[in-house]
Amino acid sequence: GESVGLHLPTLSVQEGDNSIINCAYSNSASDYFIWYKQESGKGPQFIIDIRSNMDKRQGQRVTVLLNKTVKHLSLQIAATQPGDSAVYFCAANHVGGSQGNLIFGKGTKLSVKP
Amino acid sequence: NAGVTQTPKFRILKIGQSMTLQCAQDMNHNYMYWYRQDPGMGLKLIYYSVGAGITDKGEVPNGYNVSRSTTEDFPLRLELAAPSQTSVYFCASSWLASGEQYFGPGTRLTVT
Repeated sequence: GESVGLHLPTLSVQEGDNSIINCAYSNSASDYFIWYKQESGKGPQFIIDIRSNMDKRQGQRVTVLLNKTVKHLSLQIAATQPGDSAVYFCAANHVGGSQGNLIFGKGTKLSVKP
Repeated sequence: NAGVTQTPKFRILKIGQSMTLQCAQDMNHNYMYWYRQDPGMGLKLIYYSVGAGITDKGEVPNGYNVSRSTTEDFPLRLELAAPSQTSVYFCASSWLASGEQYFGPGTRLTVT
């Protein structure tokens, strides 16, 4: 079935370094992708999204890259801070079935070492 | 704006009991969703709604029911609770079918 997956369940980086979190999706028809951050005990919080007519989008300290050829997207966090410690989820829209579905990956837990 | 609100925050149910998880949004979003999140896992869609009076099943609907009588509210009903329904439940809403979903703070449910 359709899936969205992250390459690494955990990632540990030094404060101030850049972080890269990767994600792969299976449905080549997906045309909307989104990254969420989830802190412990809270609901997912929007970070950045991208549509398939783009291959890069930048926000404040974050960049999402989309490679449709290999069905891969990544989230880059510049100058990682302790407040960035959280679980990061990628999601892709489910095309061809129920409207409005986002298929979520399992998440990567980012730990920032001071 | 309060965004998406959920009640209760925590609940312990005995096997076979029923309950309703409440969800409300004040952003006038047409789309609303219910997800469950098991430990160490991503979010799985239970039910969703594209507008008042319209609901449809997601990936894991068994054991749940929903209704959408107003744009603002989207309650999730658990009938005959089972231990497999122990999870954290998140409600979300969005403007677009493929667009940012705004999440509530979640309800942590334990069935024993």
